[in-house]
Amino acid sequence: DAGVTQSPTHLIKTRGQQVTLRCSPKSGHDTVSWYQQALGQGPQFIFQYYEEEERQRGNFPDRFSGHQFPNYSSELNVNALLLGDSALYLCASSLEGLETQYFGPGTRLLVL
Amino acid sequence: AQSVTQPDIHITVSEGASLELRCNYSYGATPYLFWYVQSPGQGLQLLLKYFSGDTLVQGIKGFEAEFKRSQSSFNLRKPSVHWSDAAEYFCAVGALDLTGNQFYFGTGTSLTVIP
Repeated sequence: DAGVTQSPTHLIKTRGQQVTLRCSPKSGHDTVSWYQQALGQGPQFIFQYYEEEERQRGNFPDRFSGHQFPNYSSELNVNALLLGDSALYLCASSLEGLETQYFGPGTRLLVL
Repeated sequence: AQSVTQPDIHITVSEGASLELRCNYSYGATPYLFWYVQSPGQGLQLLLKYFSGDTLVQGIKGFEAEFKRSQSSFNLRKPSVHWSDAAEYFCAVGALDLTGNQFYFGTGTSLTVIP
């Protein structure tokens, strides 16, 4: 049973650029959530996708956007990158109506 | 507003000693509570969860946690720590409502195990 997978594992960008991160949920899961984890901090909720729609959003600017595909995989897009966007980006999947979220290994983004 | 507090930023214990990591939460309804562990450079692995019922829950790797509603706490315990338990531990509360399920995490407790 494949768990949550994310790609790429590492990424280096420069300020002002745009980045796309990808996530495939655990088999059978239909809900994907994205979190940002800055160094030394706990994960912060960005948004959650279900049925290809964003249904909850944390306190992140519109530069952060996402998408969910019919196969439940998801993308996180960040535009106009800032140095402060450097972090580990975690994807979590769950099954609608159930509470447990399972996390992928994350994508580490470095903005120079 | 929902929040999670982990008052201990860093804890050091000797291998074989007992461990307790503290977690306090703030949430208006009955919380769904979780403990996750994160090894360096890795994602989060679920240790255990509490939804309802018995307030003492068992998890993987010999961990357990006790939900105390009166103290708004969900402390993680292990009777005998192994060197491989060295990692970052996060407590989280799940806020499940009609619009979705958002997790709120504490800032984590870093565990060092001395041989």
